[in-house]
Amino acid sequence: ETGVTQTPRHLVMGMTNKKSLKCEQHLGHNAMYWYKQSAKKPLELMFVYSLEERVENNSVPSRFSPECPNSSHLFLHLHTLQPEDSALYLCASSQEWGDNSPLHFGNGTRLTVT
Amino acid sequence: AQKVTQAQTEISVVEKEDVTLDCVYETRDTTYYLFWYKQPPSGELVFLIRRNSFDEQNEISGRYSWNFQKSTSSFNFTITASQVVDSAVYFCALSEEDDKIIFGKGTRLHILP
Repeated sequence: ETGVTQTPRHLVMGMTNKKSLKCEQHLGHNAMYWYKQSAKKPLELMFVYSLEERVENNSVPSRFSPECPNSSHLFLHLHTLQPEDSALYLCASSQEWGDNSPLHFGNGTRLTVT
Repeated sequence: AQKVTQAQTEISVVEKEDVTLDCVYETRDTTYYLFWYKQPPSGELVFLIRRNSFDEQNEISGRYSWNFQKSTSSFNFTITASQVVDSAVYFCALSEEDDKIIFGKGTRLHILP
């Protein structure tokens, strides 16, 4: 079983749809992250949760809404997205927030907004 | 200004050649960490190495080696005797005292058979 699992792998949605991305980690880590990866741009940190508390919110539009019900699960709820939101969304986890431990990534969800 | 610069956008080499991926970083902190990650076509980034700013020893792991030079603010990555499976996008990253990891734009490496 892989350490960090993301579903779905691919998602196509219209601008008026509501959908959710799911991430689950089986590594016993206490920190979880959402990153956005667009073509030709560096990875952008969106949100960080440490022990289910949000510790970082990098000026992300409110149409992206994260949820962390426990330290193993992380969701990204999507609503009224724009075509420029099409990207690869990567979930990651690390042992702790702030200890510079390596990130463990999932395979990502390839999102296309039409 | 970028804090992590990977000037090589794309590199192609023939299998068994050696290849070096460049990474230049910028920071005013005395304590920081540098990382390399590999992103194969499957999508997930795979951690390769972490270095802290107080350890300038070069590191070798099999065919992979890393050259950390504070004098030039560089943390270059060399693959010796490259293989087709090394084809991927490679990211250099910096973590400063505020604990935020900053990634470079990545270098896409093609190993040609």
